[in-house]
Amino acid sequence: GENVEQHPSTLSVQEGDSAVIKCTYSDSASNYFPWYKQELGKRPQLIIDIRSNVGEKKDQRIAVTLNKTAKHFSLHITETQPEDSAVYFCGSGGSNYKLTFGKGTLLTVNP
Amino acid sequence: SAVISQKPSRDICQRGTSLTIQCQVDSQVTMMFWYRQQPGQSLTLIATANQGSEATYESGFVIDKFPISRPNLTFSTLTVSNMSPEDSSIYLCSVERGASGTSTDTQYFGPGTRLTVL
Repeated sequence: GENVEQHPSTLSVQEGDSAVIKCTYSDSASNYFPWYKQELGKRPQLIIDIRSNVGEKKDQRIAVTLNKTAKHFSLHITETQPEDSAVYFCGSGGSNYKLTFGKGTLLTVNP
Repeated sequence: SAVISQKPSRDICQRGTSLTIQCQVDSQVTMMFWYRQQPGQSLTLIATANQGSEATYESGFVIDKFPISRPNLTFSTLTVSNMSPEDSSIYLCSVERGASGTSTDTQYFGPGTRLTVL
């Protein structure tokens, strides 16, 4: 089955800096890559996703890039704010709608 | 997106008992999923629940332990049977939902049920 590796497991940045989280996947048939943000005690919230026919997608301070040849994708958060502090999960999915998630990255933005 | 609710939000149970978790969506969806999130861990898919057919279980999860019902397109239940402390976890349902109600691979999660087994 699909295997998703996510790095780093923890990331600490200063407010205003950028944060980058990287994921690799194993199944070349995967074509959908969402990112979720999970605050403590809350449900995972979809923040951005990308499909395999696109190399990059941006939504305000958040962007995702995809390299299908290398089977990796990344989340970029610019101008980080304390409210960006949370656990971020990357996911990988295919035609069966099932998602496999990475182990998560704890992002801490220090004021 | 979709409005998803789960009941109960949390429970404390004795080992050997069973708990049924409900997931309700405000609109019809084709596919619903059940996940487990152990403390400080990632999301692990338990099974896919489709209306009108038996649930499809992932490796490591069996119907006898996690029976699932999907009586209609807005509701599903997950039962955790014969519980042990190792079953202590957060259980989340999710639904696939696209723009204008179309089916897509985008998933939205319910608020979760925090289960503690003593």
